Amino acid sequence: EVQLLESGGGLVQPGGSLRLTCAASGFTFSACAMSWVRQTPGKGLAWVSTISNSGSDTYYADSVKGRFTISRDNSKNTLYLQMSSLRVEDTATYYCAKFLPGTRSMDVWGQGTTVTVSS
Amino acid sequence: QSALTQPASVSGSPGQSITISCTGTSSDIGGYNYVSWYQQHPGKAPKLMIYEVSNRPSGVSNRFSGSKSGNTASLTISGLQAEDEADYYCSSYTSTTTRYVFGTGTKVTVL
Repeated sequence: EVQLLESGGGLVQPGGSLRLTCAASGFTFSACAMSWVRQTPGKGLAWVSTISNSGSDTYYADSVKGRFTISRDNSKNTLYLQMSSLRVEDTATYYCAKFLPGTRSMDVWGQGTTVTVSS
Repeated sequence: QSALTQPASVSGSPGQSITISCTGTSSDIGGYNYVSWYQQHPGKAPKLMIYEVSNRPSGVSNRFSGSKSGNTASLTISGLQAEDEADYYCSSYTSTTTRYVFGTGTKVTVL
């Protein structure tokens, strides 16, 4: 069964840092580009970042560029999102998602991990 | 990059057909055949329903279909069922630095 399991969310003060982890199983992780997408409470989805299957190419939303870093360890089937200089507006549920190979669509999503930025 | 525009809500009776629109620009929907549609039930993760405008992933009912005309994409749900009640989001690849943009979301209610 294809599965993505996020962890690392929690309560952090503004300006603080947090690292999210996404453990992948049931598919060839190294063959798939991966993304982080967030959803603020009661609101819609917002793309955060994407990394190529090899990890050589990364892309970020303007709202997180320079503050968040996406990375992956294909030997551990794990995706990461290092978040720093966190702001109140970064409060959201963060989902990791895999791309359907050969497409620009995310076909499997994790259950999400919640990040709350508050003093 | 602004979010794609969707109606806030759409409703229909069981068995009816409904269509959800998703309006973007020539930099996203109009420029690429990379439109996706996601279904999200409360408290759950999004589920891919349509990719590349009109393709259904394995396991998705053929009651769901997608299309595109110019800068607007559409999702049609035919033979509406109670289990279709959920939020639906469109998404598109974009030529801007944003790369991917989602729609504002549409709440589908089965009357």
